[in-house]
Amino acid sequence: DIQMTQSPSSLSASVGARVTITCRASQSISTYLNWYQQKPGKAPKLLIHSASSLQSGVPSRFSGSGSGTDFTLTVSTLQPEDLATYYCQQTYSTLAWTFGQGTKVEIK
Amino acid sequence: QVQLVQSGAEVKNPGASVKVSCKTSGYTFTAYYIHWVRQAPGQGLEWMGRINPRSGDTDYAQKFRGRVTMTLDTSIRTAYLELTSLKSDDAAVYYCATHTNMDVWGQGTTVTVSS
Repeated sequence: DIQMTQSPSSLSASVGARVTITCRASQSISTYLNWYQQKPGKAPKLLIHSASSLQSGVPSRFSGSGSGTDFTLTVSTLQPEDLATYYCQQTYSTLAWTFGQGTKVEIK
Repeated sequence: QVQLVQSGAEVKNPGASVKVSCKTSGYTFTAYYIHWVRQAPGQGLEWMGRINPRSGDTDYAQKFRGRVTMTLDTSIRTAYLELTSLKSDDAAVYYCATHTNMDVWGQGTTVTVSS
């Protein structure tokens, strides 16, 4: 299976800060990469698909980039409602669409 | 709108089986794979597999092969996940998800495994 490794595992940032989360794949996955946001007690919500395409209805402060093995999710101006855990997911391998281990974002 | 509604919480003994349902509405049922994802308490997301509603073909994650079965009842637009030989570490919230890029998720079904 393709392994997905996120960093950091957690972070704390102030409202208005720029936040970057990294996701690395164990092999090239082109741009077959999704980013999800999960708030406590809720189902995950798709933010970004195909590495850099913003899902409809998602605020423009969220952006994604990367291809091959290295990807980033950026929140340009952190808001209080962005408190959540963020997951990357590869959809390259038809046999297993693996997730990263998650990055917990806390507000200072 | 596209909606997935899952069955209610389950409590099972170790060694038993559980079957979770996912009723769909608001889109062409055969157009998108239905995926199953689980999340153990305090843990991350784990993709279990998917089923093609057009053909019934399935892809299961290696970890679950032999214990998991994904099926459909197309007449009522419902997908099912069955997991057998339950162990304590199968206790989790189980989600179904579908549509373009897995952008629509069910509300989750909590499965408790306890003697």
